[in-house]
Amino acid sequence: DTAVSQTPKYLVTQMGNDKSIKCEQNLGHDTMYWYKQDSKKFLKIMFSYNNKELIINETVPNRFSPKSPDKAHLNLHINSLELGDSAVYFCASSQAPGVGYGYTFGSGTRLTVV
Amino acid sequence: EDKVVQSPLSLVVHEGDTVTLNCSYEVTNFRSLLWYKQEKKAPTFLFMLTSSGIEKKSGRLSSILDKKELFSILNITATQTGDSAIYLCAVYSGGGADGLTFGKGTHLIIQP
Repeated sequence: DTAVSQTPKYLVTQMGNDKSIKCEQNLGHDTMYWYKQDSKKFLKIMFSYNNKELIINETVPNRFSPKSPDKAHLNLHINSLELGDSAVYFCASSQAPGVGYGYTFGSGTRLTVV
Repeated sequence: EDKVVQSPLSLVVHEGDTVTLNCSYEVTNFRSLLWYKQEKKAPTFLFMLTSSGIEKKSGRLSSILDKKELFSILNITATQTGDSAIYLCAVYSGGGADGLTFGKGTHLIIQP
């Protein structure tokens, strides 16, 4: 009965590969997000997706693309992986944009690019 | 660009001590400030604050917001080893990618 689930939990891949991380939420939330947490534990927003509207943090390279097949899923696709992409990626969801309460994180995907 | 600054970045205390964690922010169109606790995996929600001067309390944890001075504190009394974690402060302003802007966190270690 996990509220926000991500797969895989760990991902090790070579530079230049393309990979995807899946996220699903069963909370009925309207908005989903992707965050990146670097080695210094700094969490930074990458994308938010609400009702088919995607808002992108301008600092995110266009090699990263979120894809939402439906309201409960927001997958993250990464092209041409680079060493600097190594981080923990967290998916999150909230009831609506701007609603801090009920903001729930997944358990993270540790991506290592070698 | 929205900015959230937490202090101290790390803190080591003994069980039973009281700690105060600080969070200051500079954001346009402030809407709410949130505190999270992160142990090994996902950040877990502690408090959301929107109004100045109203203390939120949960057991030994409490938090208060000062919207005039743009900061919040998180207090933990009678600390236990299970309180060891990274405590994250975040602000929602509706800007950027419409998500939360996080501080770098305070790494709290409680020694027995």
